Amino acid sequence: DQQVKQNSPSLSVQEGRISILNCDYTNSMFDYFLWYKKYPAEGPTFLISISSIKDKNEDGRFTVFLNKSAKHLSLHIVPSQPGDSAVYFCAASAWNYGGSQGNLIFGKGTKLSVKP
Amino acid sequence: AGVTQNPKFQVLKTGQSMTLQCAQDMNHNSMYWYRQDPGLGLRLIYYSFDVKDINKGEISDGYSVSRQAQAKFSLSLESAIPNQTALYFCATSGYGFLTKNIQYFGAGTRLSVL
Repeated sequence: DQQVKQNSPSLSVQEGRISILNCDYTNSMFDYFLWYKKYPAEGPTFLISISSIKDKNEDGRFTVFLNKSAKHLSLHIVPSQPGDSAVYFCAASAWNYGGSQGNLIFGKGTKLSVKP
Repeated sequence: AGVTQNPKFQVLKTGQSMTLQCAQDMNHNSMYWYRQDPGLGLRLIYYSFDVKDINKGEISDGYSVSRQAQAKFSLSLESAIPNQTALYFCATSGYGFLTKNIQYFGAGTRLSVL
C-alpha cells in the first residue's frame, strides 16, 4: 500500500510559467515532508522541506504548500526554467515519533520537462 | 566529496556475488541503502543509525550490509538474480533536531544481472 503517492508520472511546462507538482499521503503520523530533484546519472538532491506545523515554505523560486486536512502537498516552481527539467520525488517521515519512524518514504516521482 | 559510491556500473551473471561500496565525509551518523526501479521510486533496503546499529528496510531479502566504520556502509549481494537489476543509491543523514532526516545521496551504482 503506497503511503506517498505522486499520481502524475510526467508534467510538461513552458519556460517562464508555473510548474505545480503534487503529492498525496495516507499516513496521519507523517509530520515532515521533503522534495528531492534528480537529474539522469546523478543521485537525488534535497530541494526543500516543510514541517507539519507550517502550511507553506519558500526558498527562492520554490515553494512547498502543505494541506494537512487533505493530506496533500504541492511544490510550485515559479518561473520554471529549462534547467528545472528533472524527476521530482516527494518524501515523508514521522519524524517526531523517532527511530525508524523518521525514515523517509518516497513517492514514485514526477518527471518535469520545461520547454524553452 | 560528500557521498561516494563505487563502482558506478556493474554487470553480473546470475549467481555471482558482489559488494557495493559507500563512503561519506560528512561526519553523519546515519547511512542508508536504496534501490530505484523504473516507476517504483526509491525503496529502502537497509539502514544504520550508527556503527553498531543495522536494520532491515522494506526490501532486504537477498541483500546484506556491513557498517565498517562511521563513514563506510557496504551492500552485498551473495547470489545475484535478474530482478536485482536496478539503480542503487547510498545516502547519509545527520538525523538531528535541526537537520531532521534530510538525506544526502551518492551518484548511484547501476547494476545489471544477466
